[in-house]
Amino acid sequence: EVQVLESGGGLVQPGGSLRLSCAASGFTFSSYAMSWVRQAPGKGLEWVSAIGGSGAATFYGDSVKGRFIISRDNSKNTLSLQMNSLRAEDTAVYYCAKVLYSGGSQVFDNWGQGTLVTVSS
Amino acid sequence: EIVMTQSPATLSVSPGERVTLSCRASQSVSSNLAWYQQKPGQAPRLLIYGASTRATGLPARFSGSGSGTEFTLTISSLQSEDSAVYYCQQCHDWPLTFGGGTNVEIK
Repeated sequence: EVQVLESGGGLVQPGGSLRLSCAASGFTFSSYAMSWVRQAPGKGLEWVSAIGGSGAATFYGDSVKGRFIISRDNSKNTLSLQMNSLRAEDTAVYYCAKVLYSGGSQVFDNWGQGTLVTVSS
Repeated sequence: EIVMTQSPATLSVSPGERVTLSCRASQSVSSNLAWYQQKPGQAPRLLIYGASTRATGLPARFSGSGSGTEFTLTISSLQSEDSAVYYCQQCHDWPLTFGGGTNVEIK
């Protein structure tokens, strides 16, 4: 069974840093691109960042470019998101999501339960 | 950035009725469009990809259509368990973008 499980959320002050992790199982992790998608309280979905299966290709949304870094460790089946210079508007549930097909379009068939990041003083 | 616009924002429908949700892209995304369903407190669930292909296990009452800039998600006969927010997402170009969602309520 495919599973992705996020961890690392919590309360952080504005300007601070936080590192999210996503543990994947049940599929050949290195063959699939992965993304982070967030959802602010009571709001819609916002794509944050994506990384290719090998880790060589990375993509970011404009709102996080230059502040967040996505990475993966294929030996540990783990996806990470290093979040720096955090702002109040980064407050959201952060989901880890797996693409449907290896090498296919960026649509997401498996999502974690999400981890809440709260940026507040 | 490709802007995705969904309408209406909220829909109140009786069980058994046909439901049509719209999604418009600010530029052509070809057929590179997906639909998701999200219930309160849950992660999104993939319903449709490639504009019209149903995800594994999705009931046949759900269907997607469209290409270019205009897309539709149809629920042929609404069931109580279909109460949720529905999002479209383009995967044609970076950055990936989602529509603002349509909240489907049961009358």
